[in-house]
Amino acid sequence: GAVVSQHPSRVICKSGTSVKIECRSLDFQATTMFWYRQFPKQSLMLMATSNEGSKATYEQGVEKDKFLINHASLTLSTLTVTSAHPEDSSFYICSASSYGTTDTQYFGPGTRLTVL
Amino acid sequence: AQSVTQLDSHVSVSEGTPVLLRCNYSSSYSPSLFWYVQHPNKGLQLLLKYTSAATLVKGINGFEAEFKKSETSFHLTKPSAHMSDAAEYFCVVSPGRDSSYKLIFGSGTRLLVRP
Repeated sequence: GAVVSQHPSRVICKSGTSVKIECRSLDFQATTMFWYRQFPKQSLMLMATSNEGSKATYEQGVEKDKFLINHASLTLSTLTVTSAHPEDSSFYICSASSYGTTDTQYFGPGTRLTVL
Repeated sequence: AQSVTQLDSHVSVSEGTPVLLRCNYSSSYSPSLFWYVQHPNKGLQLLLKYTSAATLVKGINGFEAEFKKSETSFHLTKPSAHMSDAAEYFCVVSPGRDSSYKLIFGSGTRLLVRP
């Protein structure tokens, strides 16, 4: 149980284009989803927290107009990187928690974004 | 303020020998503590978690961790390392008082297992 998927696993795009990453909870209802960014050989950095049906809460220093987050249902959250640039290249990981176990997050497999 | 310190950036052991990954935390409240493992280019897998029940927590793949409040430590151990244990390990604290239940990650420890 508690499986989280991400799609795509890898994406390469040209500078200036937008990329959408999906995060799905497959066997539970995710009341809260989190988006992280991980640079090579570094720890995870929380970008934003989203609750179903509400606007996402962004961490300090994260541009909300560049990283659009939508959590429209209890099983799906999307992260859209708008007007991507090479410095946005990174490993993006989502996680999800449910109402009954809010202190435990289940992580997706991650999406490797490369912006040329 | 809450924080997590993983004392070793790299740990190298021989296959079949014990593993010890050290973690110290700082929290104003009774925290939840976790260990996650990340294999290369993969997401994070939950190894075990402590949530104020038994202080010795058993996880998957033979790992366990002991919560020691007096030492503010939550070290991860395994009696005998396997080659497949080679990965990055993150000690994580959830303060528990924040309604968003944010996780605070340690910097990670890379475990190398020599044949």
